[in-house]
Amino acid sequence: QKEVEQNSGPLSVPEGAIASLNCTYSDRGSQSFFWYRQYSGKSPELIMSIYSNGDKEDGRFTAQLNKASQYVSLLIRDSQPSDSATYLCAVNGGGADGLTFGKGTHLIIQP
Amino acid sequence: GAVVSQHPSWVICKSGTSVKIECRSLDFQATTMFWYRQFPKQSLMLMATSNEGSKATYEQGVEKDKFLINHASLTLSTLTVTSAHPEDSSFYICSARAGANQPQHFGDGTRLSIL
Repeated sequence: QKEVEQNSGPLSVPEGAIASLNCTYSDRGSQSFFWYRQYSGKSPELIMSIYSNGDKEDGRFTAQLNKASQYVSLLIRDSQPSDSATYLCAVNGGGADGLTFGKGTHLIIQP
Repeated sequence: GAVVSQHPSWVICKSGTSVKIECRSLDFQATTMFWYRQFPKQSLMLMATSNEGSKATYEQGVEKDKFLINHASLTLSTLTVTSAHPEDSSFYICSARAGANQPQHFGDGTRLSIL
């Protein structure tokens, strides 16, 4: 069974600091990796995708992938109160299957 | 780009009613669409996977006769909750993707309340 593990939190980070969110996955054959943000009562919103080892930066967000360690992370620089949300890590093994989601990490940015 | 429209946003109806929810990909062709359910403070639960022109694949424990899924075109999938009861009250969310290894893009969700 494919599993994606995340610390549920809450993770509390001061405004302006770097928030670091982590995720591990069980399926070594996984090929694509995504981070979604979900505000309370809303549907998930895609914020980052990463397909190869290393770092990928987009604005204040950096996704990091290490396939050997089966680990993917998301860094949020200059954290803002509006970044407070649940962050879902999702992994795709390829083929017809959909994404396997982690349970999400609840991030709180303290003003 | 990659916009998924879900309608309606809210439904409140009496027990025993059937409710249809539409999911449309507006600017891309969705080879696969997914239907999720989410209860308060819980994670997304995949209900079924739908490929255009094929029967949906349901997750274990999801009644296919109660949750009817139709994926008639590359841009439209519908979920019909038949004879809904209060325990079916939940947040239903669809997602769509253009191909394998592509990200899934989510609709805004439908909040269903059965009285």
